[in-house]
Amino acid sequence: GQQVMQIPQYQHVQEGEDFTTYCNSSTTLSNIQWYKQRPGGHPVFLIQLVKSGEVKKQKRLTFQFGEAKKNSSLHITATQTTDVGTYFCAGPEGTASKLTFGTGTRLQVTL
Amino acid sequence: DTAVSQTPKYLVTQMGNDKSIKCEQNLGHDTMYWYKQDSKKFLKIMFSYNNKELIINETVPNRFSPKSPDKAHLNLHINSLELGDSAVYFCASSQEGGRLSPLHFGNGTRLTVT
Repeated sequence: GQQVMQIPQYQHVQEGEDFTTYCNSSTTLSNIQWYKQRPGGHPVFLIQLVKSGEVKKQKRLTFQFGEAKKNSSLHITATQTTDVGTYFCAGPEGTASKLTFGTGTRLQVTL
Repeated sequence: DTAVSQTPKYLVTQMGNDKSIKCEQNLGHDTMYWYKQDSKKFLKIMFSYNNKELIINETVPNRFSPKSPDKAHLNLHINSLELGDSAVYFCASSQEGGRLSPLHFGNGTRLTVT
């Protein structure tokens, strides 16, 4: 089946530093979604990318979908303590209503 | 105003017991899911229902039985609980199926089997 890997598994930054998580799929994706899960919380949808090479921004967050539609990245500029959590990418598998989640990147931000 | 609600939030039980988790969504979505999140935070789909019909059934032991009485509800019953069943179980819903539309998750049920 489809595998979606993310690196790094964990990153610890100081507030104000930048952060990037990378997502790689074993298959071509029709679209990719990103979710954030705060500690003790549930995954919350952030954004969906559909087009090859697409770049979208949400304030300090920049999302990119690779040209081959097999990888994606999330970059956070000038991290804040509110950015703490686990970031997941997720891609649909086949034609079924199935979203396969990446392995996640846990971000820790300290002052 | 809760969009996807599941109960209970915590469930502590002994091996061999049977337990149920309930989920309801008021978003009018057609598709509902159960996901399992293990201690390493991996999120894996277990089941998916579309308009009360089972459409995804991953490699899950048949001790797990989902039931969808209507498209707003999806319950999960687990028989003969084992230690390895300890995890957080998330219910989720989406409008058209996860390929196209985002998932809305419930707050999760933390199941601890002792």
